[in-house]
Amino acid sequence: DQQVKQNSPSLSVQEGRISILNCDYTNSMFDYFLWYKKYPAEGPTFLISISSIKDKNEDGRFTVFLNKSAKHLSLHIVPSQPGDSAVYFCAGADTGANSKLTFGKGITLSVRP
Amino acid sequence: DSGVTQTPKHLITATGQRVTLRCSPRSGDLSVYWYQQSLDQGLQFLIQYYNGEERAKGNILERFSAQQFPDLHSELNLSSLELGDSALYFCASSRDRFYEQYFGPGTRLTVT
Repeated sequence: DQQVKQNSPSLSVQEGRISILNCDYTNSMFDYFLWYKKYPAEGPTFLISISSIKDKNEDGRFTVFLNKSAKHLSLHIVPSQPGDSAVYFCAGADTGANSKLTFGKGITLSVRP
Repeated sequence: DSGVTQTPKHLITATGQRVTLRCSPRSGDLSVYWYQQSLDQGLQFLIQYYNGEERAKGNILERFSAQQFPDLHSELNLSSLELGDSALYFCASSRDRFYEQYFGPGTRLTVT
């Protein structure tokens, strides 16, 4: 039972353009969502998060949008840079239940110079 | 550098064997988490310890066990290893907000 789905395994965009990474979830108890970025041979790095009481959170070039009714969130990177090329994991948490983060399988983003 | 260290970086062993993976959390972090990332799989939560006590459990096999020591470092023990246990094993730690976790570089386990 995959509670967090990242259906597109990869995305390629031109430097300077917008990257949009999508994520869907099925667990309606999730009340906190996060994005992690992972470079090869390194562990994932926390990128940005959003609480279910918000529909948008922005941090520099990174913005996460949450559509609770659709159980969908997206990460926007504007403008995209070659250094953004990495695997991006979406994760959900039910903060009232336990400390478990449920991750998707990840999306590989390639930003072309 | 996240401040979380994991040893060893790579481990190659045979089926049926037992291995121990070690993790040192960031200074001051009381929570330690273990994750498994198999080929084409996301990060699967295994187990969490908080200040020496087990706090949450995921899909951890009975052949796997973990503990957190008084100095807060943690060990993940994998026994009766099978080919399917080959994966990247990550440790993470957190302080105040469990959902903001800092990951180590991982241990790549290959079972032959």
